[in-house]
Amino acid sequence: AQSVAQPEDQVNVAEGNPLTVKCTYSVSGNPYLFWYVQYPNRGLQFLLKYITGDNLVKGSYGFEAEFNKSQTSFHLKKPSALVSDSALYFCAVRDSLRYTGGFKTIFGAGTRLFVKA
Amino acid sequence: EAGVAQSPRYKIIEKRQSVAFWCNPISGHATLYWYQQILGQGPKLLIQFQNNGVVDDSQLPKDRFSAERLKGVDSTLKIQPAKLEDSAVYLCASSGRNPDNEQFFGPGTRLTVL
Repeated sequence: AQSVAQPEDQVNVAEGNPLTVKCTYSVSGNPYLFWYVQYPNRGLQFLLKYITGDNLVKGSYGFEAEFNKSQTSFHLKKPSALVSDSALYFCAVRDSLRYTGGFKTIFGAGTRLFVKA
Repeated sequence: EAGVAQSPRYKIIEKRQSVAFWCNPISGHATLYWYQQILGQGPKLLIQFQNNGVVDDSQLPKDRFSAERLKGVDSTLKIQPAKLEDSAVYLCASSGRNPDNEQFFGPGTRLTVL
């Protein structure tokens, strides 16, 4: 069975400081991993994904994420936080093993990021 | 390109009433998803279509929820009759058919059941 965990409900960081939003996962096969962001009163937006290859992937708005197979983690990072980064962040995982002809995506519960000026 | 369209944006109904939501995915996207997002939780997949066929509806409460994508393009999700616990945001998303394709989400429909 596949699952994803975001251990922190909320992360607080000062503007200009680095930020990390944590995500761990469990799948049977190789994982496809995604980060999405949800701004207030808006739908989810894709940030970045890991499929294969380089463990450090770069995405939109200066975000990056590091895939760690041994720790089954895919933490989201940004070197210097902006107030405008304040939003709800979701980690999502797909198992590469085919599932009834489709690929099910499991979302984490979300982590709310507050960046203080 | 145009994004995923959903309507209505907001809906308030009384319990035991019925309600329908509409979604138009991004042109050319084979896969369409309906999610339920309860406040404070991550999106939960209700149903996933590949073209006009259902590939996953394991978490759809089939005694009250139904969905269709008759021509493999737009889709409707219906709840009949609604319960108080159905109050949530209903998100529609679409993607290409490959597992490494990211999903594009609509703005959602916020449903309040009184």
